[in-house]
Order: sequence, then C-alpha cells, then structure tokens
Amino acid sequence: KAGVTQTPRYLIKTRGQQVTLSCSPISGHRSVSWYQQTPGQGLQFLFEYFSETQRNKGNFPGRFSGRQFSNSRSEMNVSTLELGDSALYLCASSPGRSTGYTFGSGTRLTVV
Amino acid sequence: GIQVEQSPPDLILQEGANSTLRCNFSDSVNNLQWFHQNPWGQLINLFYIPSGTKQNGRLSATTVATERYSLLYISSSQTTDSGVYFCAGDNYGQNFVFGPGTRLSVLP
Repeated sequence: KAGVTQTPRYLIKTRGQQVTLSCSPISGHRSVSWYQQTPGQGLQFLFEYFSETQRNKGNFPGRFSGRQFSNSRSEMNVSTLELGDSALYLCASSPGRSTGYTFGSGTRLTVV
Repeated sequence: GIQVEQSPPDLILQEGANSTLRCNFSDSVNNLQWFHQNPWGQLINLFYIPSGTKQNGRLSATTVATERYSLLYISSSQTTDSGVYFCAGDNYGQNFVFGPGTRLSVLP
C-alpha cells in the first residue's frame, strides 16, 4: 500500500512569505504528526492531529499552524517566514496510539 | 516531557564489524521506535519495540522497559548501514520525542 506522501519535496521562499505543506497519510491511518528537523535542534515535534482534532502541540510560535481534513490529509502552514524556519519538515502517520509511526520523505524548506 | 539520550553520538566502523547503539529514557515509555535516516532525509522505521527483543536480518533490538533503555545491534555492518540512527518514544498521550541520534559511518 502507498506510504506517507508529502508535497512538495523542495521549496524556496522569501522571508516574510507564508508556506503550506501537505501530508497524505497511509490509507486508514487517522493520526498525523509533524516534525521540524534542523542541524542545531534535531527533530522537534510540531503538532499531532487525530480525526481532525489537534491532540498535541509542541513548543513553537503561533506562526506555525496545522489542520487535518475529513480524509485524514493534513496541512501545515507557516506564516511570516524567518530564516530560522529553514528545515526539513517531516510528517508521520499512525493508525492510533501505541502502534508506531511511519514517516514520509519530508519537505525541505529553504527561506532566503 | 520525556528526555531521550543516545550513545555514542558518533561511531566509525570498518565493514564487517558489529556495533551496539543505546537509547535511555528519563521516564517510562509505552511507544518506542528505532529509525534510520537515509541520506535523502527519510526516516525508515527499523523496529517498533516498546519491550522485548526483535530481529530483522542483521539488525536486532532489545528494550528493557523497567530500566528505561533500548539497544540496537548491527552485525556484520555494511557501507549501506551508514547514516543517522534515532530512537524515539512517548508516554501515554505525551509528545513522541526523538533522541539526538547516533551518526554511523561504515568504511569499506
């Protein structure tokens, strides 16, 4: 079956712009989580959605937001981009709790 | 939240050697996984192992939940094993937290 699909794979944006990233989970998975990976901070949790409801949120400013649709697809949005937002953004899906996560290939965002 | 430590931070091996990577958690976890991040950034799931021992080819993992640690064994390492290995876990509703990773380099 198809894995977790993230689009786009690469993105270059200018400071001050906003960006939307998309994640399609494995069919039947209702949980979608987002992570930011940078060389300095490692892998940091952004948020988790389950059945269209945000279940957990990491320690990120309000410029980072997300949502999940009824088909479990999820989007995350970053407004007023800063240079420090340059990172690999990873999405993971899971059937539910205590079942393990499967990750997508990521979106590499560069802010110039 | 949970804190995750991994050791060693870096490991250089000759092809064919064996290695053990360790992951320590500050608190109990009910969800624990090991991942390998490939050069393109994708996290490949190696094991879902909240407790016990599992084996998959040259790789095996053991989690001792009562002592809050997990071990990943790589036997007869190959150059394709190079990359960063992460462990991660959560505890009943908390965020899924990653360790800082172990960077493995296998030399031919």
